[in-house]
Amino acid sequence: DGGITQSPKYLFRKEGQNVTLSCEQNLNHDAMYWYRQDPGQGLRLIYYSQIVNDFQKGDIAEGYSVSREKKESFPLTVTSAQKNPTAFYLCASSPRQEINSPLHFGNGTRLTVT
Amino acid sequence: KNEVEQSPQNLTAQEGEFITINCSYSVGISALHWLQQHPGGGIVSLFMLSSGKKKHGRLIATINIQEKHSSLHITASHPRDSAVYICAAADESYNTDKLIFGTGTRLQVFP
Repeated sequence: DGGITQSPKYLFRKEGQNVTLSCEQNLNHDAMYWYRQDPGQGLRLIYYSQIVNDFQKGDIAEGYSVSREKKESFPLTVTSAQKNPTAFYLCASSPRQEINSPLHFGNGTRLTVT
Repeated sequence: KNEVEQSPQNLTAQEGEFITINCSYSVGISALHWLQQHPGGGIVSLFMLSSGKKKHGRLIATINIQEKHSSLHITASHPRDSAVYICAAADESYNTDKLIFGTGTRLQVFP
C-alpha cells in the first residue's frame, strides 16, 4: 500500500542537539510538506518542496532545515537554533497534478526536547 | 482574528445524532479542505471542495463561496467518528502549497 512513513513516532532529545525527522513517501508525489502542530493552534507550515533539489520556506522556517535529494524523501532537521522545538511534526505530500490537490499525511513524530 | 475560524471547538454527541461543524474564512481561497485527525495524531483528508457540495458515505461537506463559509455534516454519528476535524483554506495565490488551518473541532460521540 502506498503512503507516507514518518519515523520515529516519539523522539526525545536534549536541548542544544540537532535532530532529524524522517519522512518517506511511495506515492510518487512531487510535492512534500512539513507542518508543526502545537496545542490550541492550527498546523503551521515549516518548509515545502515542489520538486527534487528545490524547497521553499514556510511561515515558521527559522531553526529548521530540509533537503530533497530524492523524490520520495524529505527529512527535516530541527537545529539547536529553534527556540521551542517540542511539538508534533507532520509530513505531507501532494501529487500537484492540479493547482489544488488533496494532501496525504504521515502519522507524525512527537518531539520532546528537555 | 484568525483567517480561518471553526465552531464549535468541542462537540459531544450521542450515537446516531446529526453533527454539524462550521468553518468560516476571511481570505480569498481556491479550495477548502476538510481533514480528520485521529487520537494517535495521523491526519486523513476527507474532502477538498471549491463549490457546492460533496458526499462520501455519512459525511457531507458544503461550501458557500459568497458567504465564505463551509460546513461538515455527519449523519447517523458513531463512536468511531470521534476525532478532531480540521478545515484548511487554500490561499488563492498559493493553492495547496500554503494552506491556512483552523484550530480544529474535537468531536466525541458516545454510545
